[in-house]
Amino acid sequence: EVQLVESGGGLVQPGGSLRLSCVASGFSFSTSYIHWVRQAPGKGLEFVSGISAIGDYTHYSKSVKGRFTISRDNSKNTLYLQMGSLRPEDEAVYYCAREGIPKAFDVWGQGTAVTVSS
Amino acid sequence: QSALTQPASVSGSPGQSITISCTGTSSDVGGYNYVSWYQQHPGKGPKLMIYDVSSRPSGVSDRFSASKSGNAASLTISGLQAEDEADYYCSSYARGSTSPYVFGTGTTVTVL
Repeated sequence: EVQLVESGGGLVQPGGSLRLSCVASGFSFSTSYIHWVRQAPGKGLEFVSGISAIGDYTHYSKSVKGRFTISRDNSKNTLYLQMGSLRPEDEAVYYCAREGIPKAFDVWGQGTAVTVSS
Repeated sequence: QSALTQPASVSGSPGQSITISCTGTSSDVGGYNYVSWYQQHPGKGPKLMIYDVSSRPSGVSDRFSASKSGNAASLTISGLQAEDEADYYCSSYARGSTSPYVFGTGTTVTVL
């Protein structure tokens, strides 16, 4: 079964850091472009970051650039999102998504929730 | 870069057809044939329903169809069923902007 499973979410204070993970199974992770997309409570979807198959290209939204770092370990079929200088507006459910079709996200995880509060 | 504009809600009776609009700009929807649509049920991750403006992934019902004209795209659900009640989001590739992908504001579909 093609699957993405996120973890690492939780409660963090403003200004704090957190690292999210996304483990892939059922497909060739090392040849797939993978992204992070978030959804604030009661709000819509927002692109956060993406990384190429071998990690040589990365993209970030303006809202997280300089604070978040995306990376991957193809030997572990795992995607990461290192989040720093967290703000209340970063509070959201974070999904990882595969770009299995060019410019479209065809596989999504169930999400991991991040709460930023003191 | 702003989110693509969708109506907040659309409703219809079982068996009817509904259409959801998605309005962007020449920098996103109008500039590329990379519009996709996602269905999201409460508490679940999104599901790809349409890619490349009007193509359906394997396993998606042919009751779902989509198109694009200029800076606007649309998703039509025909033969509305109770299981179609969900949130729907459009998305477009937007190279060169503040984010390579932009999503719509989302539309809640209610089956009456």
